[in-house]
Order: sequence, then structure tokens, then C-alpha cells
Amino acid sequence: DVKVTQSSRYLVKRTGEKVFLECVQDMDHENMFWYRQDPGLGLRLIYFSYDVKMKEKGDIPEGYSVSREKKERFSLILESASTNQTSMYLCASSLSGQERETQYFGPGTRLLVL
Amino acid sequence: GQNIDQPTEMTATEGAIVQINCTYQTSGFNGLFWYQQHAGEAPTFLSYNVLDGLEEKGRFSSFLSRSKGYSYLLLKELQMKDSASYLCAVRDTGGSYIPTFGRGTSLIVHP
Repeated sequence: DVKVTQSSRYLVKRTGEKVFLECVQDMDHENMFWYRQDPGLGLRLIYFSYDVKMKEKGDIPEGYSVSREKKERFSLILESASTNQTSMYLCASSLSGQERETQYFGPGTRLLVL
Repeated sequence: GQNIDQPTEMTATEGAIVQINCTYQTSGFNGLFWYQQHAGEAPTFLSYNVLDGLEEKGRFSSFLSRSKGYSYLLLKELQMKDSASYLCAVRDTGGSYIPTFGRGTSLIVHP
């Protein structure tokens, strides 16, 4: 089974802090994604990556950056956390070249910014 | 991009059948996904449709009509554990091929 893990299930940070969210997948997937999920808004794509060192902006990249130095790891960085970044953050991965390209999600990190 | 619409919340009785609808607008359709997400957990894949018709998988079925921009997820013999959010996601042919998610339908199954 594909396993996507995220470094923390719950995180509390202060406004202005730099925050790192880590995601690791163990199935050699090329594609990795970061979403945030908020009540009434659903899943929104922040950034994604098709390969090592490649990154593409999603629908809501402002205030975030990402890093993909190794194929299995995709990090989301909040350079200066703000209260409106309080959310559930979900990482996902998928295999390229498959018609379905089903996304496999990690358990999520619930971030609270005070 | 896509415009994806699904009901916010539905309730149903254990043992019954429920149909969750999803309508979408896209310039070039390239597949529709349904995911299930229990509270506090990750979404998990349920079904994928790219051609018109019904795909059956146990108690769950998914239907697609591309000409109508319409899909539904049918859940039979409902169980309490089916209480969850159901996410419809549509992929189009332009740009990144990444699915766009609807806002999800929260299904409550009561005894």
C-alpha cells in the first residue's frame, strides 16, 4: 500500500514564525501536492511538484513556498505564519503515466497560528 | 478551470440508498474522481469515471454523463460507517491535469 506520512498531526505556531510541514511518500511517485482544507471551501491546491527540484504554483500559493530536494519528500514552508493560515494541510502523491493518477493523501496536519 | 457543485449536506437512514450528485463545467473533460473522507482523516479514493455510464464497486457505484456535466455517487445498504464527506474532483485537459475538488458533501447516516 502507498503510504504518505506527514511530520505532525497538530501544530501550534505564533504569528510571524517560520513553519515547515514535511511530507514523505514511500512509493516512488513522481507527483506530490500540498492542499489546504477549510470548512465550506473544500480542498484548495497550494503547490505541486512533478519531479525533484521542480515546483509549480497551485490556486493559492501566496504566503507559501515549497521544496523538493528528494523524490520522496515535499516540504511546505510558511515564511511568516499568519492567523489566516490556520487550516488543515494535506499532502498527496500520485504516479505519473497512469490514466487515473489517483492521489494518495497523508493524514493531514492541523495548524493553528496564534 | 472547473465549476464544481455538490450539495453541502445530506442525511439518510441506515440500510437505505443515497445518491450524491456532482455537476461540473469544464472546457475539456478528462476524468472525474470520488473520494471519501471521514472526519479528521485523509481522503481515500473511491471511484474514477472517464466514459459515460455506471461503474459499480460493491455497495458503491458512480455514474457519469459527460454531455450533461453530471455525475453521481450511489451508496447502497447504508451503514453507520458511511457517515463521511464525499468529495467530487474533476480533471480537465488543459494545463496541469490536476483534479479540482468540489467543496464536498457531508453525509450523515442515522439509525
